[in-house]
Amino acid sequence: KAGVTQTPRYLIKTRGQQVTLSCSPISGHRSVSWYQQTPGQGLQFLFEYFSETQRNKGNFPGRFSGRQFSNSRSEMNVSTLELGDSALYLCASGKGGKNQETQYFGPGTRLLVL
Amino acid sequence: AQKVTQAQTEISVVEKEDVTLDCVYETRDTTYYLFWYKQPPSGELVFLIRRNSFDEQNEISGRYSWNFQKSTSSFNFTITASQVVDSAVYFCALSEETDSWGKFQFGAGTQVVVTP
Repeated sequence: KAGVTQTPRYLIKTRGQQVTLSCSPISGHRSVSWYQQTPGQGLQFLFEYFSETQRNKGNFPGRFSGRQFSNSRSEMNVSTLELGDSALYLCASGKGGKNQETQYFGPGTRLLVL
Repeated sequence: AQKVTQAQTEISVVEKEDVTLDCVYETRDTTYYLFWYKQPPSGELVFLIRRNSFDEQNEISGRYSWNFQKSTSSFNFTITASQVVDSAVYFCALSEETDSWGKFQFGAGTQVVVTP
């Protein structure tokens, strides 16, 4: 069974630009969550999508947005990039049912903002 | 407020020594799950173990074991007979019923360095 895939793996952008990251969950999984990892703040929850609906959102500015498609693939977008957005962005997929299931993470996208 | 605390920033051991990682959590929920993940230098978070709040039975899985104690809100993880490949950052995570299950709150992580 294929794992969680994220594209691209590496990105270099400049301040003010926008970026879109993609995440394909494990087949059959309907929940996708996104996390930002930085040396200073650690792993922080961005948002969770289930069946194309945002189910939860972390404490991030509106520049961070996401969506989920009918095939459960998810994208997150960051507009007007700032230097502080440089981070490893991880997505995780889960079954998303009523009971907690393990979430499996992708390899991440490393974003560098210059 | 930090809900998951990993007080150990880094632990260095020599191969074959045991390593115990501490995790203290905070929640008001009666139903919650605790996890341990490993992050090697490649960056991907690798699932290790999961425990729910109703199951305090401690188990051993290969070289991994865990000690879950609700009375002290601790969920400690032990690697027995460590190997160089165990070198990584280890994260403890909490998922609460009153929040969506897809939201994990992570501790700051503990860097484990195993030298030959």
